[in-house]
Amino acid sequence: DAGVIQSPRHEVTEMGQEVTLRCKPISGHNSLFWYRQTMMRGLELLIYFNNNVPIDDSGMPEDRFSAKMPNASFSTLKIQPSEPRDSAVYFCASSPREVRNTEAFFGQGTRLTVV
Amino acid sequence: AQKITQTQPGMFVQEKEAVTLDCTYDTSDPSYGLFWYKQPSSGEMIFLIYQGSYDQQNATEGRYSLNFQKARKSANLVISASQLGDSAMYFCAMSPGYRDDKIIFGKGTRLHILP
Repeated sequence: DAGVIQSPRHEVTEMGQEVTLRCKPISGHNSLFWYRQTMMRGLELLIYFNNNVPIDDSGMPEDRFSAKMPNASFSTLKIQPSEPRDSAVYFCASSPREVRNTEAFFGQGTRLTVV
Repeated sequence: AQKITQTQPGMFVQEKEAVTLDCTYDTSDPSYGLFWYKQPSSGEMIFLIYQGSYDQQNATEGRYSLNFQKARKSANLVISASQLGDSAMYFCAMSPGYRDDKIIFGKGTRLHILP
């Protein structure tokens, strides 16, 4: 299996621009998580989906952030407009949650820099 | 409140010694899962070990063991015979309960193994 695939691996953008991060979960996994990692705040859960439905988005920092999962094999995290404080590594992870308390499998992450 | 606490921001340990990384957690649900992940300097998230709240025995995976003390809400990771390659960031994580299968992370402990 190819694992969780995130794109792009690196993104540099100017403040005010729209940024879209993409994730392809492992086939057959029905839970998907988006995390943000910074030195100051550690690894924060932004949102997670079960069977393509958003279950908990309480970690989404503000309305500039949105996430979608149109089907079982694709999810996006969008930031519009982006700000320098959004600079972080964004991880997507998936898990076969029909098996209770199974670990999450992480993608390689997208390093976002907003200048 | 659901929370993971790792009180050791950094540790230095001599090679070949055993290491204990502390983790305490808080959840009101009796059914939960605890995880440890390793993040080397390359940035990927590597799953190490899992402990279920109803598991009777402490989990072990090779040189990794989880010292699970349920009454104290403690889930410390023990690494036996540490190696230089163990130098990394270590995260404790929790899936808080049966009705809440998100996975939340502590702030992490950076482990340095000294030759």
